[in-house]
Amino acid sequence: DAGVIQSPRHEVTEMGQEVTLRCKPISGHNSLFWYRQTMMRGLELLIYFNNNVPIDDSGMPEDRFSAKMPNASFSTLKIQPSEPRDSAVYFCASSFYGVRAGFFGQGTRLTVV
Amino acid sequence: DQQVKQNSPSLSVQEGRISILNCDYTNSMFDYFLWYKKYPAEGPTFLISISSIKDKNEDGRFTVFLNKSAKHLSLHIVPSQPGDSAVYFCAASAQGGSEKLVFGKGTKLTVNP
Repeated sequence: DAGVIQSPRHEVTEMGQEVTLRCKPISGHNSLFWYRQTMMRGLELLIYFNNNVPIDDSGMPEDRFSAKMPNASFSTLKIQPSEPRDSAVYFCASSFYGVRAGFFGQGTRLTVV
Repeated sequence: DQQVKQNSPSLSVQEGRISILNCDYTNSMFDYFLWYKKYPAEGPTFLISISSIKDKNEDGRFTVFLNKSAKHLSLHIVPSQPGDSAVYFCAASAQGGSEKLVFGKGTKLTVNP
């Protein structure tokens, strides 16, 4: 299996633009997680899905952030409009439902200038 | 407030010696603890875990110890190898929120040849 696949690996965008990050979980996994890593806050959970349904989005920082999982093999995290403070590494992870140790993708490094 | 704390941002150890990474937590509802390892430009990789019903779990060179009364856990690596040089994250999850992981900020381990 190729593991969790995230795209793009790097994204540089201007403040105010819309940014979409993509994730393909490991086939068969039915839980999907979006994390953000910053120097100040470390690795924090933004939102997670079970069977494509959002379960907990309490970590989503603002209404500018939204996440969808239209099917079992694809999820997006959208930031609209983006701001410089959104600059971070965004990770997607997946696991079987109830398994607490998730598999992480390689991350997307987002820079908003 | 940080529920999971790794108070040492970095640790340097000689090859062949023991590495001890520490983690403290504040939430008494946490019942499952994990350690992840992260190399630069990669996502975190699950290393070892422990349930709160145990006080020790061992996997090869890696052993995790849990002291529930002190709300403290530690990861021991014996013997340390240069390939162990990475950032190590401690994570915890609570009863009822099984898939939701709370991470510490990480400790960068450097193993010198």
